[in-house]
This record gives sequence, C-alpha cells and structure tokens, in this order.
Amino acid sequence: ETGVTQTPRHLVMGMTNKKSLKCEQHLGHNAMYWYKQSAKKPLELMFVYSLEERVENNSVPSRFSPECPNSSHLFLHLHTLQPEDSALYLCASSQVGDRIREKLFFGSGTQLSVL
Amino acid sequence: AQKVTQAQTEISVVEKEDVTLDCVYETRDTTYYLFWYKQPPSGELVFLIRRNSFDEQNEISGRYSWNFQKSTSSFNFTITASQVVDSAVYFCALSEAGSGSARQLTFGSGTQLTVLP
Repeated sequence: ETGVTQTPRHLVMGMTNKKSLKCEQHLGHNAMYWYKQSAKKPLELMFVYSLEERVENNSVPSRFSPECPNSSHLFLHLHTLQPEDSALYLCASSQVGDRIREKLFFGSGTQLSVL
Repeated sequence: AQKVTQAQTEISVVEKEDVTLDCVYETRDTTYYLFWYKQPPSGELVFLIRRNSFDEQNEISGRYSWNFQKSTSSFNFTITASQVVDSAVYFCALSEAGSGSARQLTFGSGTQLTVLP
C-alpha cells in the first residue's frame, strides 16, 4: 500500500456537479495538504491541515471546500466549478515537528476535467 | 516573499549525457530549506533531497549530485550519465516554515527533462 492514496485518479465533471476528492495517508503523519497543479504553472498550495489547525491560501475560490475528519483523511469538496479549475490535484502529508527530516510525501493526484 | 525560479522549461539530452537543472531562489529568511522532487508520468511527486540553509555541503547520491551556492541563491541538480528512466518533470522548492508549523513549500514551475535513447 502506498504512503498517500488519492481517489479517484481521474474525474470529469460538469460545471453544476458536486463531487469530492479523497486522500488517505498511511504514514502516521500529522499534517495534510492540497496542492493544485495546472499546466506550465508552479504547484499552488491550496489548504493545509496541521495539528488541528487549518491554513488556507486566500486566493482559493470558495467553490473548493476542504474537510479533514482525522489526521489520516482529507477531502476536497467541489461544487459549481469552472473550466479553468481543470488541473491535477495533489494531496500530500508530512510530520510537523521533525525539523531534521520533515518533507512532503505526495499522492499520485486526481486529474480533474471540468466541462 | 519567497520565490523559486527554474528558468529551463524543457531539456532534452541523449542517454549517457550529463545534465544540470538550474534552480534559483529568493527568500528573506536566514533559515530555510530547499528540496528537489521528481514527477514521473504517473503523477506522484517523489522526494529526492532536502538541504538546510545552514549546511552548504554539496551532496552526491549515485548519479545525482546537488550544488548549493548560498552566495548566488542557487541549488542546482546534476544527473550524471542520464538514463531514459530519468525522464520526468523536476521541481525545486523552498520552505521558510518555522518550528511547529506545517511545511509550506513554494515550488518552481518545473523542468521537463527528456532523455532520448
């Protein structure tokens, strides 16, 4: 079983649909992240859940709504998306507090297409 | 604000050639962390290296080597004797997170490396 698992791998949705992306980490980490990867752009941090604290990028539209029910699971709820939201959405986890070795572990991503 | 620049959008080399991927960063912090990640076609970003700002020693791992130059704010990555399996997008990233806070990385836009047989 890989360290960070994302489902689904691919998602096609209409602009009026509601869907959710799921991420699960099996590494015992205490922080989880959502990143957006658009073509030819740097990865953009969307949300962080760490030690029961949520940090968000203020530029992320409200049509993206994260949920972190526990330290192992992270969701990204999507509603009324726009075509420009089509991208690869990557989930990651890390162990906050391990200053010597801390790094992000990524899932394989969900490739989202909004029609 | 922190920034990472990877000026090389795409690089193509022939197998067995050496190739260097450039990374230049900007930060106001005196303590920071630099990373390289590899993203193969499968999509998952794979961690390659982490370098702390107070450790300027260069590092070699097999065919991979990294040259950290604080004076020029660069953290370049060299693959020696490249192989087709090295073909991927490579990302350089910077973090300024303090103690106890989550690792918020700022990524460069990536360099697509293609190694031709």
